[in-house]
Amino acid sequence: QSVLTQPPSASGTPGQRVTISCSGSSSNIGSNTVKWYQQFPGTAPKLLIYSNNQRPSGVPDRFSGSKSGTSASLAISGLQSEDEAHYYCAAWEDSLNGVVFGGGTKLTVL
Amino acid sequence: EVQLLESGGRLVQPGGSLRLSCAASGFAFNNYAMSWVRQAPGKGLEWVSTINNVGTSTYYPPSVKGRFTISRDNSKNTLYLQMNSLRAEDTAIYYCAAPYYYDSRAFDPWGQGALVTVSS
Repeated sequence: QSVLTQPPSASGTPGQRVTISCSGSSSNIGSNTVKWYQQFPGTAPKLLIYSNNQRPSGVPDRFSGSKSGTSASLAISGLQSEDEAHYYCAAWEDSLNGVVFGGGTKLTVL
Repeated sequence: EVQLLESGGRLVQPGGSLRLSCAASGFAFNNYAMSWVRQAPGKGLEWVSTINNVGTSTYYPPSVKGRFTISRDNSKNTLYLQMNSLRAEDTAIYYCAAPYYYDSRAFDPWGQGALVTVSS
């Protein structure tokens, strides 16, 4: 049972816009910034979004993040087949003095 | 180029011990806190431990506290994870991770991972 709640799966067709939600509480998302990671099978996760809505260098602007209260969302516009991966949200947890993750969302491009 | 290379993963019996290493290169290792994150087979990510840049402060979740010990040798640019009293549920790929330059609570980059299997 993950501290942050994500839907286990999401899907879309090429060119579509899809969103993945991440729900937390006042002690994590509510008081700290959200990160998003992308992971392909057999590889290490890669940072996709930091500080709620910032993209590291090299991440396409098709990826965007937002946060409101104790929830956050990752949006992918102009969906491409190479976006098919697992996506994880994360945030600092004040009570743990460490990071908590969502359970992950498997994105399928139909 | 920043690189993190884990080693030490193997099959170990329940109740046994194992030490993982993570060799860092391409950045000023002694300036940054470092972390371990694990991923059980087919499951999500779980933060395991963090150590500050000089090794004087360490942090763990309840699931591993008292059994795992994180440490570092800044003279060797190496991070360690000593795992004792291992359980089947500790079976996972263990990644070492550095803090992202613009957000110290984000992890980037990650190593390639070391597989730890706890089984009799």
